Parts: sequence; C-alpha cells; structure tokens
Amino acid sequence: TQLLEQSPQFLSIQEGENLTVYCNSSSVFSSLQWYRQEPGEGPVLLVTVVTGGEVKKLKRLTFQFGDARKDSSLHITAAQPGDTGLYLCAGPNNAGNMLTFGGGTRLMVKP
Amino acid sequence: DAGITQSPRHKVTETGTPVTLRCHQTENHRYMYWYRQDPGHGLRLIHYSYGVKDTDKGEVSDGYSVSRSKTEDFLLTLESATSSQTSVYFCATRGGGLTYEQYFGPGTRLTVT
Repeated sequence: TQLLEQSPQFLSIQEGENLTVYCNSSSVFSSLQWYRQEPGEGPVLLVTVVTGGEVKKLKRLTFQFGDARKDSSLHITAAQPGDTGLYLCAGPNNAGNMLTFGGGTRLMVKP
Repeated sequence: DAGITQSPRHKVTETGTPVTLRCHQTENHRYMYWYRQDPGHGLRLIHYSYGVKDTDKGEVSDGYSVSRSKTEDFLLTLESATSSQTSVYFCATRGGGLTYEQYFGPGTRLTVT
C-alpha cells in the first residue's frame, strides 16, 4: 500500500509570511498532484509534477517533486488570506486506476 | 472544470432508510469515483467505475453500492443508512492520459440521524 504523509497538519500564519508544506512517502510515484480545497467545495487541482526534480510555479506557489519521486513540497511566498484552505497531495497507485491522497495540510492565513 | 454536478447537495435521513446520491458529468470521462471525507480521515475511496457497468471497490466500500448505466451518471447507494455514514461525499472524474488528474464535484453533505 502506497501511503502519503503530509506535514504539518495545521498551519496558521500572518499575511505576507512564507511557508512550505510537505508530502512524503516511502514509495515511488509516477507523478504527484496537489489540490486545494476551500470550505464547502470539492478539491481543485493545482498542479501535477511528473519528472523527478521538477519544479513548477503557479504565481506565488512553487511545487517541487523530489529527485527520487517519493516526495513533494509546496512553497507559498507572501501568503494571502485567499490562500486559506486544505492542501492535499495525491499520487496514482501502481495500477493507475485510483489515487492515494495524503491527509492534507490545513492552512489559515490571517490578515 | 469537468462539469460535474452532484445531487442532492444536502440530505438528512434516518437510520435504516435507503439513500441514493447522484453524480453527473458532461465531459465524457471514462473513470468516475466516489469518495467520503471525514475529519481525521481525509479523502477515502468508496467505489470507482472504469466504464459503463464496470465498477470496483475502494478502501471503504462496506455498506455502499454503485451503478453506472450511462457514461455521464454514477450513482452511490446506501442500502440502509447508518450514523457512521454521516459524511461529505465527493464524486470525481478522470479522463484519459497518464497523469491521473481527477476533477471533483461540489460534494453532498449527508446526515444520518
């Protein structure tokens, strides 16, 4: 069973601060995805990383896939209240027919 | 946006009653999934479908059944609802390709009293 562990579970910061959240596994994944979920809504895909060592940027968000494809990180620069939400990482199982989700990092950015 | 709708969006039902949740998609995606989301447990897969009439169990399938008679519709049925099935239920779809990205509906909040 491929497991994904996310840390920290909760993070409360002030507007303007930088932060990094992590998604770790002992298993190799062919790709990893990051989703953001706002209260009362479904998760929304932010990015997919595919190649070991890959870095993708989405405005103030920077996503990195570990060289060994076992971990990923999400760095937010100058966080804003609109970044508040639950951040989930996910990766496909070996058969490719389902995703394994991490437990999520709940981020709150205070104005 | 994969054009996914879920109905109903909210439902309160009594223990022992049958409940059916509907997921409808407009993107002709092959794969469809039902998840439940609970505090402390994250997203857990209940059942999924890889085509019309083709379904398989996820990690928390006990007490749930599914049906997919058309590409666009995926139904989740609780044959006899229990309080432990109080949760938020999400439907998701995945198209083809090798990146396995999923697109989620808005969710159904189910309360079993």
